Amino acid sequence: GEDVEQSLFLSVREGDSSVINCTYTDSSSTYLYWYKQEPGAGLQLLTYIFSNMDMKQDQRLTVLLNKKDKHLSLRIADTQTGDSAIYFCAESNYQLIWGAGTKLIIKP
Amino acid sequence: DARVTQTPRHKVTEMGQEVTMRCQPILGHNTVFWYRQTMMQGLELLAYFRNRAPLDDSGMPKDRFSAEMPDATLATLKIQPSEPRDSAVYFCASEPGGGTGELFFGEGSRLTVL
Repeated sequence: GEDVEQSLFLSVREGDSSVINCTYTDSSSTYLYWYKQEPGAGLQLLTYIFSNMDMKQDQRLTVLLNKKDKHLSLRIADTQTGDSAIYFCAESNYQLIWGAGTKLIIKP
Repeated sequence: DARVTQTPRHKVTEMGQEVTMRCQPILGHNTVFWYRQTMMQGLELLAYFRNRAPLDDSGMPKDRFSAEMPDATLATLKIQPSEPRDSAVYFCASEPGGGTGELFFGEGSRLTVL
């Protein structure tokens, strides 16, 4: 069946770039998403990419999509303490399939 | 600004008691989801509605869980009887429509069953 995989943790120093990776299995996914969950809150849509795109940039965020390898990444430039959160990757065909989430830990 | 509202935010109850969680989706959103989040299982889809009609509740234990949408401004998730393994954070989310995948989540209802 469809599956989305992510590493559970990523630790980076404040000011460095964070790269969160995700692999998915459904090659017919139309959109791929990154959601962010801050402590004690619900998930919020961070960004998404259409499956016919390779890259999308939005301020400090860069999404890269490698359809051949079914690999999605989210790069956060100049990581700040406010970026501490769990980041979920999700793919969509007719329904969202979620990864387990990557907890981003910021070291001072 | 428009947001999904969930009540209660926290609930502690004893095993065997009935629990009802409520959700007010964003006005105009035609799709409503119920998710459960635990450390072990992650995010699980329990049920979802489109235009108030239930489309999929296969993720929900049918013997004790029920989800309804009595009107466009209210979705409910009921557990009767509750069990300790139901302890989790329950999220409601709404989507504008068209299956875009752009979900707007509430802040969740944290349920503890003793």
